[in-house]
Amino acid sequence: EDKVVQSPLSLVVHEGDTVTLNCSYEVTNFRSLLWYKQEKKAPTFLFMLTSSGIEKKSGRLSSILDKKELFSILNITATQTGDSAVYLCAVESGYSTLTFGKGTMLLVSP
Amino acid sequence: SAVISQKPSRDICQRGTSLTIQCQVDSQVTMMFWYRQQPGQSLTLIATANQGSEATYESGFVIDKFPISRPNLTFSTLTVSNMSPEDSSIYLCSVGVGSMNTEAFFGQGTRLTVV
Repeated sequence: EDKVVQSPLSLVVHEGDTVTLNCSYEVTNFRSLLWYKQEKKAPTFLFMLTSSGIEKKSGRLSSILDKKELFSILNITATQTGDSAVYLCAVESGYSTLTFGKGTMLLVSP
Repeated sequence: SAVISQKPSRDICQRGTSLTIQCQVDSQVTMMFWYRQQPGQSLTLIATANQGSEATYESGFVIDKFPISRPNLTFSTLTVSNMSPEDSSIYLCSVGVGSMNTEAFFGQGTRLTVV
């Protein structure tokens, strides 16, 4: 059974801090790892990672994948209150289905 | 990317009734997925809906409870049948786009409360 574990489950930081969110996985037929931001109901796509060691970057957010150690990190620098959300990690395997982790709830206080 | 319109956005339903959720995509997609997110939990895949064939259900989900239609490449419905309070969740449709169907985009979600 495919498994995705995120840590920490929740995190409180001050504006301007840098945070690192972790995602480890066990899948039988890995295709890609995806990061999402979920603020209300629908997750918003952030990154898709398929290759080890190649950093994906979008503004203050960046992510990298380690396929040997089976994990990924999501970094957010200079955090803002608008970054407060649940961050979901998902792994695609097999027939394009996604297995989601439980998410990391990030709260950025002013 | 894909633009997905899902409705209703929320509903409060009596137990024993059924609710049909609709998902419309602005482009043709091969695979559409239905997820459930119970309070405080992550997303759980209910089924994969392919046009022209029966939906494929994940363990713990059955067609009688969650019948799915996929009449064409841009539209799908999920029905939550004979509802009980345990069905109170957010339901999301999703599509995979790109050459490997890997960039999954979600509808706005339907927040269902069963009373």
